[in-house]
Amino acid sequence: GQQVMQIPQYQHVQEGEDFTTYCNSSTTLSNIQWYKQRPGGHPVFLIQLVKSGEVKKQKRLTFQFGEAKKNSSLHITATQTTDVGTYFCAGPSQNDYKLSFGAGTTVTVRA
Amino acid sequence: NAGVMQNPRHLVRRRGQEARLRCSPMKGHSHVYWYRQLPEEGLKFMVYLQKENIIDESGMPKERFSAEFPKEGPSILRIQQVVRGDSAAYFCASSPGHGYTFGSGTRLTVV
Repeated sequence: GQQVMQIPQYQHVQEGEDFTTYCNSSTTLSNIQWYKQRPGGHPVFLIQLVKSGEVKKQKRLTFQFGEAKKNSSLHITATQTTDVGTYFCAGPSQNDYKLSFGAGTTVTVRA
Repeated sequence: NAGVMQNPRHLVRRRGQEARLRCSPMKGHSHVYWYRQLPEEGLKFMVYLQKENIIDESGMPKERFSAEFPKEGPSILRIQQVVRGDSAAYFCASSPGHGYTFGSGTRLTVV
C-alpha cells in the first residue's frame, strides 16, 4: 500500500533560524497536503499542492512539490515560537478521498 | 458554528467498557471521515461514511469497532470492550474542497 514518510521526526530550532522538513511517498501523488497540529490540538489544513514542481508561499512558510510528484518539502524561515507543533504531509489514495499521513515532524523552538 | 463538531473531548473508560464517539460534519456535508492518532504517530484512516451508508471501512479493526452515520443525528464511532491499546485521539473530518477540516477530536483513555 501507499506509504508516506517524513524526516526528520523531531526538529529543535533556535528562534530566528530556518529549517526544512521533507516528505516522500512510495507512489506518485495527485496532490500533496500539509497540516499543522499544535500540542493537544487537532490537525489544521495549511495548503495543497497539485502541479509538478509547484512552489507556494505562506508568509514565512514555503511549500514545494517535486517534479516527479512523489516528494515535497516545507521550509520555514526565521522560526518563531508560534511555529511550535507537528507538521504532517498527506497524500490521497487512488480513490482520492482517503489520505495517507506521514508520521510528522515535531518542531520545538528555543527562545 | 459551521465547523466539525466532536464530543466528548475527553473520554475515560475502564477495560471492557464501551466507548461511543460522536461527530457532526460541517453544515451541509453528508460525509464524514474518521481517523485515529496513536501517541506520537500520524493519523491513520479508519472509515468513510455518508448518511446511512459505509463507503470505505478498510481501516477499521475487524473486531470491536463499528461506525454508523444515521439519517438523523451525528456519526457514531463505537468501540466495544475497550483495551488499553485503544487509547488514542480519534478525529473526524469533512472535506470541503481542498483538504480536510478536522474536528477537535476525542481523546480516549482506557484505564
